[in-house]
Amino acid sequence: KAGVTQTPRYLIKTRGQQVTLSCSPISGHRSVSWYQQTPGQGLQFLFEYFSETQRNKGNFPGRFSGRQFSNSRSEMNVSTLELGDSALYLCASSPAGTSNEQYFGPGTRLTVT
Amino acid sequence: GENVEQHPSTLSVQEGDSAVIKCTYSDSASNYFPWYKQELGKRPQLIIDIRSNVGEKKDQRIAVTLNKTAKHFSLHITETQPEDSAVYFCAAKTVGGTSYGKLTFGQGTILTVHP
Repeated sequence: KAGVTQTPRYLIKTRGQQVTLSCSPISGHRSVSWYQQTPGQGLQFLFEYFSETQRNKGNFPGRFSGRQFSNSRSEMNVSTLELGDSALYLCASSPAGTSNEQYFGPGTRLTVT
Repeated sequence: GENVEQHPSTLSVQEGDSAVIKCTYSDSASNYFPWYKQELGKRPQLIIDIRSNVGEKKDQRIAVTLNKTAKHFSLHITETQPEDSAVYFCAAKTVGGTSYGKLTFGQGTILTVHP
């Protein structure tokens, strides 16, 4: 099976702009989780989607949002970008159900200038 | 909420030696503990995991042990090789309830294996 894919891989934006990142999970996986990775804060959970519903949300401001489509593909959006939003954004897919394993995509490197 | 502490932050070993990385967690409801390996510029890769009903799990040169009473778990790598050099992350998760998808990660250990 193909792995988790994320687009774009790299992005440079200016403060105040908004950005949309995309994640395609492994075929058959229905759960998609998003994480932010920074050198200072490490890997932090943003939110999780299953069957087009957000089931869990981490401790991030409302500028961070997401959605999931009927084919399980997910997008996350960050509005009014701040310098501190510069990070590697990773999505992870999971079969859900009784399986707990999460498999990560390559990430989107976002730089805010 | 859950908090995961990971030690050491850096670990340097000679090829062929063993490496041990330790993590402690705070939430006694956590019952799933994966370990990820992240090479420079690459995605975190799931290398082994353990559930709370098991005390130890092995997969070739890697093993994970879990002590639920003390709320700590460890990654053991034997016969280390230079290609084991990477950042290793432990994580904890509560299966069930409302903790869907949320892995809480440790801060990572930079492992360097010298030839």
